[in-house]
Amino acid sequence: DVKVTQSSRYLVKRTGEKVFLECVQDMDHENMFWYRQDPGLGLRLIYFSYDVKMKEKGDIPEGYSVSREKKERFSLILESASTNQTSMYLCASSPTTLGLVRQYFGPGTRLTVL
Amino acid sequence: AQSVAQPEDQVNVAEGNPLTVKCTYSVSGNPYLFWYVQYPNRGLQFLLKYITGDNLVKGSYGFEAEFNKSQTSFHLKKPSALVSDSALYFCASYHENNNDMRFGAGTRLTVKP
Repeated sequence: DVKVTQSSRYLVKRTGEKVFLECVQDMDHENMFWYRQDPGLGLRLIYFSYDVKMKEKGDIPEGYSVSREKKERFSLILESASTNQTSMYLCASSPTTLGLVRQYFGPGTRLTVL
Repeated sequence: AQSVAQPEDQVNVAEGNPLTVKCTYSVSGNPYLFWYVQYPNRGLQFLLKYITGDNLVKGSYGFEAEFNKSQTSFHLKKPSALVSDSALYFCASYHENNNDMRFGAGTRLTVKP
């Protein structure tokens, strides 16, 4: 069974802290994605990666960075957390970019920044 | 730029009645269209997709969706709603040319017994 896991379901951090959100997939997918989900806004793409060490900015990359050192792992980094980054963060993966069929989502991390 | 709209924030139906969750898209060319469902405190689960072919697509849990090119719509439907269908539903579009995936804002479906 296909699986995307995220390191934490709930996380509480303080303003200014550096925050790491980890995502691991076991499907050998090339593509991995980080979204944030906010009520009324749906899912907005922060970053995606189509290969190891490759990354592309999504719609809202400001205040975030990513790391993909291994194919199965995609990390989202909040360099200095702010209260407006309080949100639900969803990781997803998919097979090759061309002929995208569907994405597989992790359970989400609900981050609260105080 | 492509976009997806879900015109209803909330849809309420009685158990056993048919349900429709609306989605319209604004994409040039031929989009790929998806429906996902999100249960409380869970990630998104794939329901169905349209890429090409038959305009009526059948998916998981008895859901189906109809692709209507003239109306640029991809509404999600089910003939008989269940209380367990209550969840947040997202429509999404993907355009191969620019590798762009877009999600709608979501529609909360509530099915009452």
